[in-house]
Amino acid sequence: EAEVAQSPRYKITEKSQAVAFWCDPISGHATLYWYRQILGQGPELLVQFQDESVVDDSQLPKDRFSAERLKGVDSTLKIQPAELGDSAMYLCASSSSGGGEQDTGELFFGEGSRLTVL
Amino acid sequence: GENVEQHPSTLSVQEGDSAVIKCTYSDSASNYFPWYKQELGKRPQLIIDIRSNVGEKKDQRIAVTLNKTAKHFSLHITETQPEDSAVYFCASGGFSSGGSNYKLTFGKGTLLTVNP
Repeated sequence: EAEVAQSPRYKITEKSQAVAFWCDPISGHATLYWYRQILGQGPELLVQFQDESVVDDSQLPKDRFSAERLKGVDSTLKIQPAELGDSAMYLCASSSSGGGEQDTGELFFGEGSRLTVL
Repeated sequence: GENVEQHPSTLSVQEGDSAVIKCTYSDSASNYFPWYKQELGKRPQLIIDIRSNVGEKKDQRIAVTLNKTAKHFSLHITETQPEDSAVYFCASGGFSSGGSNYKLTFGKGTLLTVNP
């Protein structure tokens, strides 16, 4: 069964350093999401791509976070500089496009990248 | 933006009992309401969902009910088993501003513990 791939699974860094996370969605899924999940809370949307275009980045802290999906397939989320409050699980998800009756709307999540900022 | 409230935050039941988790949402335009299960250290996975043109949906021991007028929906698990122990998230969504796909807002989650 196809899955969303993410790397690294775990990342420990010192504050003010740069970190990057990579996501490879399920083949053919045009929509890609980056969520942040703080321990004990629900996933919070950071950015949503439709193919290579950003359709929602209203909750992305743009002074330090950036995301790209240059060829409309895999994506990278970067944080620079990292702060203590960025410690969280970063989840990537993908879904098929369209939103029509045949589109289930289901999000398929990756295993996540757990970031610890010291 | 959409706001989703989920209750309770923790729920402990005896094996065989029923469990109910409730969510409310704020955006009347939302039309898609999925429930995700996340086991410890694992990814969230969809267990059931409902669209706004349906009031109830069942899948074996799991059911979801939706009241669009009151803007609330609930997850019902009957005959609970220890393997049902996990964190459950509700979500509410509709088409994103780009009109291309669903944008989901998640609740804070409910930790369900089923005691043998």
